[in-house]
Amino acid sequence: GEQVEQRPPHLSVREGDSAIIICTYTDSATAYFSWYKQEAGAGLQLLMSVLSNVDRKEEQGLTVLLNKKDKRLSLNLTAAHPGDSAVYFCAVGGSALGRLHFGAGTQLIVIP
Amino acid sequence: EAAVTQSPRSKVAVTGGKVTLSCHQTNNHDYMYWYRQDTGHGLRLIHYSYVADSTEKGDIPDGYKASRPSQENFSLILELASLSQTAVYFCASRRQGSNSDYTFGSGTRLLVI
Repeated sequence: GEQVEQRPPHLSVREGDSAIIICTYTDSATAYFSWYKQEAGAGLQLLMSVLSNVDRKEEQGLTVLLNKKDKRLSLNLTAAHPGDSAVYFCAVGGSALGRLHFGAGTQLIVIP
Repeated sequence: EAAVTQSPRSKVAVTGGKVTLSCHQTNNHDYMYWYRQDTGHGLRLIHYSYVADSTEKGDIPDGYKASRPSQENFSLILELASLSQTAVYFCASRRQGSNSDYTFGSGTRLLVI
């Protein structure tokens, strides 16, 4: 079955710096890719999703890159601020039933 | 606003007891999912449903049952709670055609003692 690896597990950056989180997956049939944010004590919130025909998507200071050849998905937070401190999860899926496979998460701390 | 509401928010259960976690969505979504989250791990799928009165096993269904009596409601049942089932449980819903856009509840923190 699909295996998703996410790194790094912990990331600290200074306010204004970039933060990059990377996920790799194993199933070449994977077609749906998402990033979620989890703030302390809360559920996961969808940040951005892309389909397999998209290489790059930018929204509100976030950039998602998809490299299907290398089976790699990345999230880049440009100019991070303290409000970005949270746990970030990648999620990938490939079936019509919409089952997503999640990475283990990255705890991001943005230092003022 | 689309919402997924879980109850209770937290619960302490005794080993061997029965636990029912409830999930209610007002999104008019067809698909609903139960995940568990353990420290240092991602979310793992327990059960899911794509239509009322039908449930499917996920990746870790052992020790859990699910019930989908209506489109809006999806319950997770632990008939004989065990210490290993201490975790945070998340319910999520998704509309048909939106394969990666889940709406999550706030989670239920379950402690089995």
